[in-house]
Amino acid sequence: GENVEQHPSTLSVQEGDSAVIKCTYSDSASNYFPWYKQELGKGPQLIIDIRSNVGEKKDQRIAVTLNKTAKHFSLHITETQPEDSAVYFCAASYSTLTFGKGTMLLVSP
Amino acid sequence: GAGVSQTPSNKVTEKGKYVELRCDPISGHTALYWYRQSLGQGPEFLIYFQGTGAADDSGLPNDRFFAVRPEGSVSTLKIQRTERGDSAVYLCASSSYSGGPGDTQYFGPGTRLTVL
Repeated sequence: GENVEQHPSTLSVQEGDSAVIKCTYSDSASNYFPWYKQELGKGPQLIIDIRSNVGEKKDQRIAVTLNKTAKHFSLHITETQPEDSAVYFCAASYSTLTFGKGTMLLVSP
Repeated sequence: GAGVSQTPSNKVTEKGKYVELRCDPISGHTALYWYRQSLGQGPEFLIYFQGTGAADDSGLPNDRFFAVRPEGSVSTLKIQRTERGDSAVYLCASSSYSGGPGDTQYFGPGTRLTVL
């Protein structure tokens, strides 16, 4: 089955800095790669996703890149704000979602 | 409602008891998913419904776990003879099935199950 590795497990940045979270996956058949943000006591919320027919997608301060040859994808957050502080999960899917273990992002004012 | 809802939000039970967890998907969503999330981990897939039928139940850990969706909307996850290791947050998600890769899944707030 699919295996998703996510790094780093924690990431501390200053407000205004950029944050990058990286994931690798094992199953070359995976073709859908969403990123979720989870705040304490809440369910995961989709923030951006990418499908295997594109290499990059951007939505305001958030961007995701995908390298299918190397089987890795990354989340980039620019101009971070304290409200970006949360746990971020990457996932990979062919039929069902397999999640990484999460990255706790802390943005200090 | 506008989003996926789950009840109860918290459930405390004793080892050996039976529990039921309910999920109300987004109206019109034909696909419904159950996940389990342990502390410090990502959600782990349990079962997926397309309409009333379980399309993939490969994630159910053993035969103590069972889920139904009799009318293709609300789903109930049932756990028999609960064990302390079943303690986790149980998440439900739904999507509007398109038949193609990557249907966006929308998650509910989860039910925190604690088995004493």
